Amino acid sequence: DSGVTQTPKHLITATGQRVTLRCSPRSGDLSVYWYQQSLDQGLQFLIQYYNGEERAKGNILERFSAQQFPDLHSELNLSSLELGDSALYFCASSLVLGRQYFGPGTRLTVL
Amino acid sequence: SQELEQSPQSLIVQEGKNLTINCTSSKTLYGLYWYKQKYGEGLIFLMMLQKGGEEKSHEKITAKLDEKKQQSSLHITASQPSHAGIYLCGADDAGNNRKLIWGLGTSLAVNP
Repeated sequence: DSGVTQTPKHLITATGQRVTLRCSPRSGDLSVYWYQQSLDQGLQFLIQYYNGEERAKGNILERFSAQQFPDLHSELNLSSLELGDSALYFCASSLVLGRQYFGPGTRLTVL
Repeated sequence: SQELEQSPQSLIVQEGKNLTINCTSSKTLYGLYWYKQKYGEGLIFLMMLQKGGEEKSHEKITAKLDEKKQQSSLHITASQPSHAGIYLCGADDAGNNRKLIWGLGTSLAVNP
């Protein structure tokens, strides 16, 4: 158990819909990272927050947004969903730069 | 931009055999991480390497970073079914260690 929790574990929705994925980092970790993993593209970094502020951006679509709240939990919002958005979404956290602790992931299926 | 290439893409070995997975970078590696993933689950940290020539071991898994810091290898000795999964290498993006880039992974199956 990494100490990082993600909800929900599974999510099935339709194209055009909007969903919110939630992540609670390990106790004491200030950084939260979001990743998307699909079979064809592998693990792709989306975005990082540090203590409530955006720190780094990766391959995140404009339809996606994220935020980190004062209690350090983070949410990833995915809107206008397309079939190609179906993937595993991981959250990871770290105290300092370097080793990241990954949550169990949310499996999103867009029908 | 920096890319990580892993080889082989997949591997099937007999229990008890040794195996090696490679991770090659297009640029100098400033921090190299090895993770293991069970299918459909989260990533589990294995090891981190930073210095050229560095080698670390944990149980039957040894990871090395070459002197030029452009290639890392993960070696498993006397493989067991519990070693099965996907092995991913990740690296700090050319010194910008706010971002990690990742290889596509090596899928390992160990037959009893």
